[in-house]
Amino acid sequence: AQKITQTQPGMFVQEKEAVTLDCTYDTSDQSYGLFWYKQPSSGEMIFLIYQGSYDEQNATEGRYSLNFQKARKSANLVISASQLGDSAMYFCAMRGGKLIFGQGTELSVKP
Amino acid sequence: DSGVTQTPKHLITATGQRVTLRCSPRSGDLSVYWYQQSLDQGLQFLIHYYNGEERAKGNILERFSAQQFPDLHSELNLSSLELGDSALYFCASTLGHQNTEAFFGQGTRLTVV
Repeated sequence: AQKITQTQPGMFVQEKEAVTLDCTYDTSDQSYGLFWYKQPSSGEMIFLIYQGSYDEQNATEGRYSLNFQKARKSANLVISASQLGDSAMYFCAMRGGKLIFGQGTELSVKP
Repeated sequence: DSGVTQTPKHLITATGQRVTLRCSPRSGDLSVYWYQQSLDQGLQFLIHYYNGEERAKGNILERFSAQQFPDLHSELNLSSLELGDSALYFCASTLGHQNTEAFFGQGTRLTVV
């Protein structure tokens, strides 16, 4: 069975600092994809970054990077130079047979 | 704009009623996923369709059903509604491969009174 775990219900970060949001997963699939989505207070789900299970390099998209440690089954999201607009819920997701999501981490960026 | 269209955006209905939520995927996407997000909750996977066929089921209640039509749009039917069914319902579409992101619609906010 697939499972995604986000252990940080809420996080605070100072503006312009970096922050790491944790995500661990469990799957017996050999091929899978890992994703991060952002959900601002307006409710829409915004795709941020993708990492394939066979990708050897960590994915990066602008200020977002995914710290992928396959042996540890972790896929942490790193946001560099936090901005006030980064305040939102962040969801880690995994796609094998299904596309499942973790419970989310609420990030608050302080000015 | 993700290219995924969900209608209606808002829906208020009474307990015991039946509603239908509609999702039009991005052009070319074959997979449609449905999710339920209750207040302060994560996204609960309901069901996945690929090219008209059901591929996976999550914790979908028996009162709920879905289908994907030949033109690839999908409908989620919720019947005998209860107060606890009030939630944001999302659909997401993707091409069908594991290494492609899913694009989400804006969601339908269902309120059962």
